[in-house]
Amino acid sequence: QVQLVESGGGLVKPGGSLRLSCAASGFTFSDYYMSWIRQAPGKGLEWVSYISFRGSSLSYADSVKGRFTISRDNAKNSLSLQMNSLRAEDTAVYYCARDFAIPAAGESHFDYWGQGTPVTVSS
Amino acid sequence: SYELTQPPSVSVSPGQTASITCSGDNLGHKYASWYQQKPGQSPVLVIYQDTKRPSGIPERFSGSNSGNTATLTISGTQAMDEADYYCQAWDSSVVFGGGTKLTVL
Repeated sequence: QVQLVESGGGLVKPGGSLRLSCAASGFTFSDYYMSWIRQAPGKGLEWVSYISFRGSSLSYADSVKGRFTISRDNAKNSLSLQMNSLRAEDTAVYYCARDFAIPAAGESHFDYWGQGTPVTVSS
Repeated sequence: SYELTQPPSVSVSPGQTASITCSGDNLGHKYASWYQQKPGQSPVLVIYQDTKRPSGIPERFSGSNSGNTATLTISGTQAMDEADYYCQAWDSSVVFGGGTKLTVL
């Protein structure tokens, strides 16, 4: 069965860095786009970033552009999110999600989600 | 940037039909998806490509999308359906609605 397991979250000071990881299993990882989606405490869902099958296409929300970097290792079935210059407003639970994306058709939906890893940015 | 607007809350009596709307400019020309999130849990996809239900999602969940509005309909609403619901679409990038809290009372 499909499993997505995030790790790497924690407490970090403003301006600091953190690297999140997502271990995928139960499906052919390289056949899917992957995304990071976050949810601030008591707030709604916010898409953060996606990466295409082999990593040739990347996209970021304006709120994280220039600070976050998404990457994937298809040989290891893993997804990563390098987060730099962290701000208080980046505090959230970060979810890894399998992205059934067909950008040319304007289609993207998330059929499997991990359990999330919490990130707290505070001094 | 593209925006999706949902009502903050919807209430329904058990056994009745709940409708949750999602509005966006020309949304009917895009694909809409819907997610259910219960407290402390990860979101679950309940509708994709406007009307399709993933395996394991009860038939009482249905979706439609036309004009500027996508609608999630829950027929014969049960207490277990009480949750937050989010719509989502693609417009150059992924967009989520602000979420609707469904109360079954």
